[in-house]
Amino acid sequence: LAKTTQPISMDSYEGQEVNITCSHNNIATNDYITWYQQFPSQGPRFIIQGYKTKVTNEVASLFIPADRKSSTLSLPRVSLSDTAVYYCLVGYRDDKIIFGKGTRLHILP
Amino acid sequence: EAGVAQSPRYKIIEKRQSVAFWCNPISGHATLYWYQQILGQGPKLLIQFQNNGVVDDSQLPKDRFSAERLKGVDSTLKIQPAKLEDSAVYLCASSLAARNTGELFFGEGSRLTVL
Repeated sequence: LAKTTQPISMDSYEGQEVNITCSHNNIATNDYITWYQQFPSQGPRFIIQGYKTKVTNEVASLFIPADRKSSTLSLPRVSLSDTAVYYCLVGYRDDKIIFGKGTRLHILP
Repeated sequence: EAGVAQSPRYKIIEKRQSVAFWCNPISGHATLYWYQQILGQGPKLLIQFQNNGVVDDSQLPKDRFSAERLKGVDSTLKIQPAKLEDSAVYLCASSLAARNTGELFFGEGSRLTVL
């Protein structure tokens, strides 16, 4: 299983774009990159997933370089409600989905 | 569609007592997971079921934890006897195994406090 490394915490201000980078040097050919968001007292929630290049949905964008050894979650114009823990995961299908420690994002007014 | 249901939401017990948590996954989801999340840490996989068979239980403390998924739908996670370090949120998740990308859907969790 590919291990992921991401910053422990980040602070930003409302209205800013936030980029959280995750490194996964040992990613396997079949692995997808998935990001989850977790608010206090809730289970994690899937926000975006990609295999290569760029993926965008209504919540975020995911940038994956050609070597796939890292990925960047981009949250446009964050608000206070985006304060949460963000987890980067790599894996194939639903086999042994392993969470790391995540990045605690704190949005300031 | 209905999400993953878990109960109870909160449970307080004394050490050496037993406790059971229940999970009802999203209809049609073949894969079911139990995670343990200690305060300040990421979720830790305890056990993964595919239908009613165990795929992985390498992180399950089998001397005190047990889990079953009868008929490939609902699941229960039991702790007996509980220790102080079992205080955590127990999260149940399910996924549609047929998909290649394995998106997990989580319940709200069951918060256990062991005194």
